[in-house]
Amino acid sequence: DAKTTQPNSMESNEEEPVHLPCNHSTISGTDYIHWYRQLPSQGPEYVIHGLTSNVNNRMASLAIAEDRKSSTLILHRATLRDAAVYYCILRDWEYGNKLVFGAGTILRVKS
Amino acid sequence: GAVVSQHPSRVICKSGTSVKIECRSLDFQATTMFWYRQFPKQSLMLMATSNEGSKATYEQGVEKDKFLINHASLTLSTLTVTSAHPEDSSFYICSARKVTPDGYGYTFGSGTRLTVV
Repeated sequence: DAKTTQPNSMESNEEEPVHLPCNHSTISGTDYIHWYRQLPSQGPEYVIHGLTSNVNNRMASLAIAEDRKSSTLILHRATLRDAAVYYCILRDWEYGNKLVFGAGTILRVKS
Repeated sequence: GAVVSQHPSRVICKSGTSVKIECRSLDFQATTMFWYRQFPKQSLMLMATSNEGSKATYEQGVEKDKFLINHASLTLSTLTVTSAHPEDSSFYICSARKVTPDGYGYTFGSGTRLTVV
């Protein structure tokens, strides 16, 4: 399975932007980059995904490096409700298009 | 759209008994669903891939006779933990995969907290 590397934890101030990095140096050309987040005692929630181009939706933006070996999830204005574990996952069609979770990044938001 | 319902949200059972957890895709058909387990302060661990109308595919190290998976319809997969023991206590989460224009989308259930006493 293609692997991702994320910082263990990050901290942000409320109302400020947050940039969550993800390294995926072994990504293949057909792997999609997915981001999910999980609040305590809940199932993961979809945030955003992309292949090559930067992506925007109502929740966040995804900036993908030109060589695709890294990506950054951008929360434009963090709120207390954004405090969660954020997972960067590669969807690998060679391995059955399963989502295999890494350790993720714990995001803490300070008021 | 793309809602997944998981039931029950919490269950306590006695050691040696079996527990069934249901995962339903409410507004789409899911030929493939996934089952995960999560221990406290750890990430989700993929247990198995549930395929409608065929046998589940289990990840390495997961006992298929212990964790029985049935995917009898396009909207329902069940996970039965047989002869449960305290070490099976965990947070179990299902995910349903939906076909999208760029491949697949994945929606997760809200999880089931299993406690074996």
